[in-house]
Amino acid sequence: NAGVTQTPKFRILKIGQSMTLQCTQDMNHNYMYWYRQDPGMGLKLIYYSVGAGITDKGEVPNGYNVSRSTTEDFPLRLELAAPSQTSVYFCASSYSTSGSFTDTQYFGPGTRLTVL
Amino acid sequence: GENVEQHPSTLSVQEGDSAVIKCTYSDSASNYFPWYKQELGKGPQLIIDIRSNVGEKKDQRIAVTLNKTAKHFSLHITETQPEDSAVYFCAAIKSMEYGNKLVFGAGTILRVKS
Repeated sequence: NAGVTQTPKFRILKIGQSMTLQCTQDMNHNYMYWYRQDPGMGLKLIYYSVGAGITDKGEVPNGYNVSRSTTEDFPLRLELAAPSQTSVYFCASSYSTSGSFTDTQYFGPGTRLTVL
Repeated sequence: GENVEQHPSTLSVQEGDSAVIKCTYSDSASNYFPWYKQELGKGPQLIIDIRSNVGEKKDQRIAVTLNKTAKHFSLHITETQPEDSAVYFCAAIKSMEYGNKLVFGAGTILRVKS
């Protein structure tokens, strides 16, 4: 298994540009997540999905959109990029059953995004 | 909502010494506490976790303790080695409408000097 893969690894955007960060997992996990990590800070949840067709906002969703058309893929869309979106973005996945309170998440290697 | 505080933000130890990282949480309903290790240029990786029905868990050189009354939990690394140098994050589970999400501490940079 490749686990969680993310593309691209690095990207520089100009203010106002748009892009999609790709995330794919091959572990047949039902839950997927997008986090951002700013310097000296912990990870902040942007969006998450509990299965194909179901997504919901996390702590910092403004300026982002997601979709989940398949179990494997969970792309993150940035519209009108702003300098405040400069960060490292991590995708994660987990297998969670109804009523379970354990949630081991497996992270991808991250995408480092700079908006100038 | 849940808030997780982590201390210290940086920690330097000599190889062979022990390292302790502490976290406190605010939501008494939280019942799952994982620790993640992040090496340079990589994503976080789970190293150990503990559930609220136990007070301590050990896996070789690492251990985690939980004090539910005081709402704090700690990571202990014994006989530290240079490869233990990394950023360590604690987290606490928070129940949301569609499932659970993790709330992370700000991280601790651990440097093991040889």
